[in-house]
Amino acid sequence: QVQLQQSGPGLVKPSQTLSLTCFISGDSVSNKSAAWNWIRQSPSRGLEWLGRAYYRSKWYNDYAVSVKGRITINPDTSKNQFSLQLNSVTAEDTAVYFCGREATKLGSYYMDVWGKGTTVSVSS
Amino acid sequence: QSVLTQPPSVSGAPGQRVTISCTGKNSNVGAGYDVHWFQQLPGSAPKLLIYANTNRPSGVPDRFSASKSGTSASLAISGLHPEDEAIYYCQSYDNTLSGDIVFGGGTKVTVL
Repeated sequence: QVQLQQSGPGLVKPSQTLSLTCFISGDSVSNKSAAWNWIRQSPSRGLEWLGRAYYRSKWYNDYAVSVKGRITINPDTSKNQFSLQLNSVTAEDTAVYFCGREATKLGSYYMDVWGKGTTVSVSS
Repeated sequence: QSVLTQPPSVSGAPGQRVTISCTGKNSNVGAGYDVHWFQQLPGSAPKLLIYANTNRPSGVPDRFSASKSGTSASLAISGLHPEDEAIYYCQSYDNTLSGDIVFGGGTKVTVL
């Protein structure tokens, strides 16, 4: 079955870049019927979708309005994984970060597989 | 403040039926976007419970059902089990946010 394995540091200094990676097993990052997402969860903001990368003969990205300009989600086809980079972080970016696969059925896209989550604290 | 509105909590005795509402607007649920539901146990990632408004993935018990009408959706749990105690989230999309994925604030279900 499809599994997502997250990795990355749990502590980032203010103004620096948060970087996380999500390794995919059981599927391909280049799957033309899937999209690869990052979502975060904090007590103050609840569940917040950050963005996605997906391949449809070429690579596309969609980013949440709330983080556009600070976020990059990149696929790595050689390692079958995708990454999140969030620049200029502040304490407001402290959250549990999840990666997730959007699959499609019945013409609908939905997040059917999630990583376990990485707790990231922004602190000096 | 979440884009989709859910009650903070509902409760019921084992065997009872509870429902959770998810209220949106014409820019999201009312625009025809699908609603999905997730169950989150403490310390775990959300788990897909219902997709495309009414459909259960394989392995989800049939005591979970959902519906959607207009700008609202609802999740029903019939015959509450103790292991159903969790937080439940609805999710849709919003066209005022360029089609961003949006979530409800979550509803804590307590089994009395």
